Amino acid sequence: DQQVKQNSPSLSVQEGRISILNCDYTNSMFDYFLWYKKYPAEGPTFLISISSIKDKNEDGRFTVFLNKSAKHLSLHIVPSQPGDSAVYFCAATVGGTSYGKLTFGQGTILTVHP
Amino acid sequence: GAVVSQHPSWVICKSGTSVKIECRSLDFQATTMFWYRQFPKQSLMLMATSNEGSKATYEQGVEKDKFLINHASLTLSTLTVTSAHPEDSSFYICSARRTGGGTEAFFGQGTRLTVV
Repeated sequence: DQQVKQNSPSLSVQEGRISILNCDYTNSMFDYFLWYKKYPAEGPTFLISISSIKDKNEDGRFTVFLNKSAKHLSLHIVPSQPGDSAVYFCAATVGGTSYGKLTFGQGTILTVHP
Repeated sequence: GAVVSQHPSWVICKSGTSVKIECRSLDFQATTMFWYRQFPKQSLMLMATSNEGSKATYEQGVEKDKFLINHASLTLSTLTVTSAHPEDSSFYICSARRTGGGTEAFFGQGTRLTVV
């Protein structure tokens, strides 16, 4: 049972444009969501997170939106840069002592073309 | 920043032997660490939660006798793959959560295990 789903295996974007990566979840107990960037044979690098009490969180070029009623979150990268090309994972967790115990989506490969 | 170091980065071992992977939090204490496994082109799957001074908690379907976890100090957790077989070949990643709070878990760089 895939509790966190990223239905787009890949996304290709032109440099300077917006990249939108999507993520859906099924477990209504999740109350904290994170986005990670990952290169092959490396560990994930934290990008941005959002608590379920918010619907938007912004950090520089990265903005995460959360729609709790739809159980959907998205990561916006504006403007996209070639260095953003990587695999992006969304992850979710239940709060309290379970923080850090993450359920990951399948990942989306983002390619930003110069 | 919070740095988590994993060692080794890659290892090749013969079938039937055991391999130990270390996960260290370098600049913070971590009561809880997590071990994940990633097969090629798949997501990261949580294997177990490592708790300092107590037994690890394993996810369903993960053999605790095969994947031995020891969390002897606040900065070190080890994962030992016992009697490794080719199907254990995978990318193993640890993460550590800062003791005393914080919502983020910081990841190590991962270990590529190949069993031949």
